[in-house]
Amino acid sequence: KAGVTQTPRYLIKTRGQQVTLSCSPISGHRSVSWYQQTPGQGLQFLFEYFSETQRNKGNFPGRFSGRQFSNSRSEMNVSTLELGDSALYLCASSRRGESYEQYFGPGTRLTVT
Amino acid sequence: DQQVKQNSPSLSVQEGRISILNCDYTNSMFDYFLWYKKYPAEGPTFLISISSIKDKNEDGRFTVFLNKSAKHLSLHIVPSQPGDSAVYFCAASAVGGAQKLVFGQGTRLTINP
Repeated sequence: KAGVTQTPRYLIKTRGQQVTLSCSPISGHRSVSWYQQTPGQGLQFLFEYFSETQRNKGNFPGRFSGRQFSNSRSEMNVSTLELGDSALYLCASSRRGESYEQYFGPGTRLTVT
Repeated sequence: DQQVKQNSPSLSVQEGRISILNCDYTNSMFDYFLWYKKYPAEGPTFLISISSIKDKNEDGRFTVFLNKSAKHLSLHIVPSQPGDSAVYFCAASAVGGAQKLVFGQGTRLTINP
C-alpha cells in the first residue's frame, strides 16, 4: 500500500512570492492534515480537510490556505512568503472517525530567501 | 503555551537496555495520545497510541503508559536497538478535535552499541 506522497520535496522561493504544495493521501484515507515544523516552534497544526471542507484550523495567518479535491488529494498555498515561512511542511492522512492515528508523508522543505 | 511537553531534549541508552521517554500535558481535554518516531529528512512514523480510558498499551517492544492524574505518559522500548535511534515525538488530541494533533518538542534518542 503506497504511503502519503508530497510534492515537491524541496522548494526555494523568494520573499513576497507564493507557493503551492501538494499531498496525496493513502488510498482510502479521506482526511488530510497539514503541519509546519520549524526548529523554534516544533510541529504545529495548520489545518485539516475532510470531504473537501476545512474541518479544523490552527493559529496561522490567512496567508496560509488549503483545499481538498474530490479524490482526497490536498494542496496548501502560502501567499506573500516571509522569511519565517521557511520550514518543513508535512501532510498527514487518516481515515477519520475510525482512529486518531495520522500517517505522515516525507514533507516539503521550503526555503524562503 | 506549550500544552504537551517533553522535558528531555536528548537521551542516551545502551543497546539492549530499556529506553524510557517521558511526556507531560496540561490540557484536561486531551483524550488520545500518540508517539511518533522521526528520522532526518523523513516524516514522522506512527509508533503506538493510547486512549485516555486505558493506562497501558503494548505493541511488541513498545509500551505506552498513561497516568491521567499526573497528566503524564511514557514510552518504554525494550530491548533498545541501534535502529531505534531517532527523534521521538509525543502528541495529543482533544475531544472534538481528533485530527488536530498537538506535539511535544521531541526527544532525541541515541542507542549506543
